[in-house]
Amino acid sequence: QKEVEQDPGPLSVPEGAIVSLNCTYSNSAFQYFMWYRQYSRKGPELLMYTYSSGNKEDGRFTAQVDKSSKYISLFIRDSQPSDSATYLCAMSASETSGSRLTFGEGTQLTVNP
Amino acid sequence: NAGVTQTPKFRVLKTGQSMTLLCAQDMNHEYMYWYRQDPGMGLRLIHYSVGEGTTAKGEVPDGYNVSRLKKQNFLLGLESAAPSQTSVYFCASSYPSGGKRPQHFGDGTRLSIL
Repeated sequence: QKEVEQDPGPLSVPEGAIVSLNCTYSNSAFQYFMWYRQYSRKGPELLMYTYSSGNKEDGRFTAQVDKSSKYISLFIRDSQPSDSATYLCAMSASETSGSRLTFGEGTQLTVNP
Repeated sequence: NAGVTQTPKFRVLKTGQSMTLLCAQDMNHEYMYWYRQDPGMGLRLIHYSVGEGTTAKGEVPDGYNVSRLKKQNFLLGLESAAPSQTSVYFCASSYPSGGKRPQHFGDGTRLSIL
């Protein structure tokens, strides 16, 4: 069983829709949670970072962490065609020791004009 | 500002051939990482380095070797390529406390082993 589970999609939504992306995990030691965005034939880039439980908002993006349920979410409001990409969740137990990240397999999102 | 640069971008090898993938970063990051990305598997850590002259094994190290002779460079070697090593390889770098600071990725090397 994978430590981090993420529905690979694909997910297709109309422009302006609210998008919800999710990951579940099994390792209770994870306390740093990230969302990376990866455009086709590009490397991942950090989109959101959250420490422990709670919400974080940045423009149209909101990241939520529920450690009691081992569940994290990324919400995209007023989605745009430029949001079409693969979204990867990533988690870490420690700030140090190489800060190894465990990634989900990614959800492919298409926003249709 | 180049960030993380990977060389080459594409390569086709025959089984048993060897090659080296080069990663260079210009952000003065201490930590560097090599990942492979496969459909259905996500990004998996091959090897990483926490400083010049140091290397450590990640999740899937078998069949690969690495070297970090200079702080800005991290090399990934395949001594005898196998079809199972067909993948997209990503290099990343970060400051220490990478759990808190992002890893910066290159744009990948697409490697096919025939």
